[in-house]
Amino acid sequence: GQQLNQSPQSMFIQEGEDVSMNCTSSSIFNTWLWYKQDPGEGPVLLIALYKAGELTSNGRLTAQFGITRKDSFLNISASIPSDVGIYFCAGVYNQGGKLIFGQGTELSVKP
Amino acid sequence: GAVVSQHPSWVICKSGTSVKIECRSLDFQATTMFWYRQFPKQSLMLMATSNEGSKATYEQGVEKDKFLINHASLTLSTLTVTSAHPEDSSFYICSARGRENGYTFGSGTRLTVV
Repeated sequence: GQQLNQSPQSMFIQEGEDVSMNCTSSSIFNTWLWYKQDPGEGPVLLIALYKAGELTSNGRLTAQFGITRKDSFLNISASIPSDVGIYFCAGVYNQGGKLIFGQGTELSVKP
Repeated sequence: GAVVSQHPSWVICKSGTSVKIECRSLDFQATTMFWYRQFPKQSLMLMATSNEGSKATYEQGVEKDKFLINHASLTLSTLTVTSAHPEDSSFYICSARGRENGYTFGSGTRLTVV
């Protein structure tokens, strides 16, 4: 079945550093979404990407939809302690519009 | 913005009993609802997809007789875990999608079966 490979699994960084994480797939996706999940909560949408090559920013976050439609990355600039959490990529699979998640990247930010 | 309300936020039940989780779209009509299960430190795994008025489509390996999904209206979907066992303990999350909305997630339900 369809799979999303997300890396890295975890990151420990210093406040102020930039962060980059990415997702790859063997399947083509029509839409890439990036979510953040805090403990005990549902995921919250950060950025949505709808076109191959699209580069979109949301504050300190920037994400890109890969040209091949099989990958995406998320960058966080100048990290702050409240960036701590688990970040998930998700792709909309063509058939039935199913949203498939990557394995997640757990981000820890040291003040 | 689009809001999805999920209840209860947590529930503890005895082994062998059934538990119902509700997911409501508050300000839009959800043509499609998705149910996910998430174990600790793991990703969200899609369990099933339901379109309003139709039977749910279950992912491979998910028992449809154990996880009953009802999507009888455009604003409400329910997931019933029947004859729950400790291995069913997990975090269950719904997601709703409308005609003009993206995917909006509920806040999740922590199920503990003792």
